[in-house]
Amino acid sequence: EVQLEESGGRLVQPGGSLRLSCTASGFTFSDLYMDWVRQAPGKGLEWVGRIRNKANSYTTEYVASVEGRFTISRDDSKNLLYLQMNSLKTEDTAVYYCARPRSGSGYFFDFWGRGTLVTVSS
Amino acid sequence: SYELTQPPSVSVSPGQTASIACSGDKLGYKYTHWYQHKAGQPPLLVIYQDNKRPSGIPERFSGSNSGNTATLTISGTQTIDEADYSCQAWDSGTVVFGGGTKLTVL
Repeated sequence: EVQLEESGGRLVQPGGSLRLSCTASGFTFSDLYMDWVRQAPGKGLEWVGRIRNKANSYTTEYVASVEGRFTISRDDSKNLLYLQMNSLKTEDTAVYYCARPRSGSGYFFDFWGRGTLVTVSS
Repeated sequence: SYELTQPPSVSVSPGQTASIACSGDKLGYKYTHWYQHKAGQPPLLVIYQDNKRPSGIPERFSGSNSGNTATLTISGTQTIDEADYSCQAWDSGTVVFGGGTKLTVL
């Protein structure tokens, strides 16, 4: 059974840093790309970024609003996905989901974690 | 940047058909995917590649995509279908979501 579980969300002050983790199980984590998606209160889903697999050099891409502040990484030996968030802003307040993408014909997410809440406030 | 537009809300009576639209420039040339999202739960993929249903998704969920509009259709809507629904597409290496539509079944 595919499972994704995020952790690490908490209250943090503006300008602060936070690292989220996502533990994956039930599939060959190292073979796949992985993504982060967030949902701010009262807003729609927003793609945050992705990390490719080893075969694609672990390259990353981000939405413009987090570029230079957020970094996605992974530890394939532990089936862990990370989201390092620096210089946090109040508008980064959201539930953060890790999601397993499927690609080839379109790009979509067939499994999601339950999410972890990040609150950026003074 | 590419944008997907959805109506904020749609209402339907139980047993009737609900249609949720998602519009974007030349969206019919892209694959559209749909997610159901209930409070406190992870988003659930209900339609992928315009009209395919993942295993376990009821047959009452269907999708279409043509021109500038993709549509999620729920036939014989049930109260358990009340949720937010978001469309999603891929454009120039970026994942794009619509703003979401709250489906009310009453």
